[in-house]
Amino acid sequence: SQQGEEDPQALSIQEGENATMNCSYKTSINNLQWYRQNSGRGLVHLILIRSNEREKHSGRLRVTLDTSKKSSSLLITASRAADTASYFCATGSGGSNYKLTFGKGTLLTVNP
Amino acid sequence: EAQVTQNPRYLITVTGKKLTVTCSQNMNHEYMSWYRQDPGLGLRQIYYSMNVEVTDKGDVPEGYKVSRKEKRNFPLILESPSPNQTSLYFCASSGHTGAEGPQHFGDGTRLSIL
Repeated sequence: SQQGEEDPQALSIQEGENATMNCSYKTSINNLQWYRQNSGRGLVHLILIRSNEREKHSGRLRVTLDTSKKSSSLLITASRAADTASYFCATGSGGSNYKLTFGKGTLLTVNP
Repeated sequence: EAQVTQNPRYLITVTGKKLTVTCSQNMNHEYMSWYRQDPGLGLRQIYYSMNVEVTDKGDVPEGYKVSRKEKRNFPLILESPSPNQTSLYFCASSGHTGAEGPQHFGDGTRLSIL
């Protein structure tokens, strides 16, 4: 079953603009991860935020987590054409250290 | 260089002809898993392994087998492939944090079953 669901499904912006993607999940989690996938390639881990954290930064990436709303957001600031990719959230939930459930992803297109 | 290597990258084959997709990682990771990715369905886990000789079913295990005889290798076996197994397959590995830690993905294997 799908745990994380990204929103929007697709997003198109101009270079230099900020991009925000959201992820909602259903059950309690231990942490939430974001991944990037360039077309047809393997997923690349971007950032992990634990359930007791509210915000985390990595370079131009900012991730927030609201466990009361069961949601997370990924903000990419000053986007570049090279940021064009699909972005996925993934959740590992409490008690099960063995399965990671991915959402269906947001396709981000950054136009030069 | 730390990596997860899958072979082959592309394969076109016919229904019923047994095939194996290999996966090897050089990071001494305990946890390994297989996913398939289909349009509109995202990534779905097929099988995972917590360590050598320890494997378990994911969300869509039907029609697949795996083995974990060595820590570095986790092959995916399709004993009798069918067209509904046409998909993009990914192998991933992670260290001692298992599924809850950052996953390292291979570049994928695109299978077409005719």
